[in-house]
Amino acid sequence: DVKVTQSSRYLVKRTGEKVFLECVQDMDHENMFWYRQDPGLGLRLIYFSYDVKMKEKGDIPEGYSVSREKKERFSLILESASTNQTSMYLCASSLPSGRSGELFFGEGSRLTVL
Amino acid sequence: AQRVTQPEKLLSVFKGAPVELKCNYSYSGSPELFWYVQYSRQRLQLLLRHISRESIKGFTADLNKGETSFHLKKPFAQEEDSAMYYCALGYNFNKFYFGSGTKLNVKP
Repeated sequence: DVKVTQSSRYLVKRTGEKVFLECVQDMDHENMFWYRQDPGLGLRLIYFSYDVKMKEKGDIPEGYSVSREKKERFSLILESASTNQTSMYLCASSLPSGRSGELFFGEGSRLTVL
Repeated sequence: AQRVTQPEKLLSVFKGAPVELKCNYSYSGSPELFWYVQYSRQRLQLLLRHISRESIKGFTADLNKGETSFHLKKPFAQEEDSAMYYCALGYNFNKFYFGSGTKLNVKP
C-alpha cells in the first residue's frame, strides 16, 4: 500500500512563527501536492511538485513556500504564520501518467495559529 | 478556467433510500472526473473515476458531457456510506481541482 505520512497531526503556533509541515511518501511517486482543506471550500491546491527541486504554484500559494530536496519528501513552509492560515493541510502524491492519476493522501496536519 | 461545483453541502437520507450526490464541472478540454471519499477519522481516498466505469461499494457515476455532470449514485444507501464526498476534475495530466464537498448522512 502507498503510504503518505505527515509528520505532525496537530500543531499550535503563534502569529509570526515559522512553521514547517513535513510529508514523506514511500512509493517513489514523482508528483507531490499540498492542499488545504476548509469547510465549505473543499480542497485548494497550494503547491505542486513534479520532480526533485521542481515546484509549481497552485491556486493559493500566497504566504507559503515549499521544498523538495529528495523525491520522497515534500515540505510546506509558512514563513510567518497568520491566523487565516489556521486549517487542515493535506499532502498527497501520485504517479505521473498520460492521464491524471490517483492521488494518495496523508492523514492531514491540523494547524491552529493563535 | 476549470471549476467543479457540488451544490449540496449536506445530504441526509434514510438507510435503504437512493442517494445522488451532484457534481457539475466546467472545463474546456477533455475532462477526467473522480469521486473521493473521506470517512470519519480516515484519510481521503479515491472512490471511483469515470474512466474505469466501475461500481465501487455500490456507487456508480456516469460522465454526462452534454450536461457537464458527474453525479454519484447508489440505489440503496447504507449507514456506513456516511462520509464526506468530493468530486474532482483532473487536468493538465497531473493537477486536480476539487469541489467543496458534500457531507452524506445516512440515518438508520
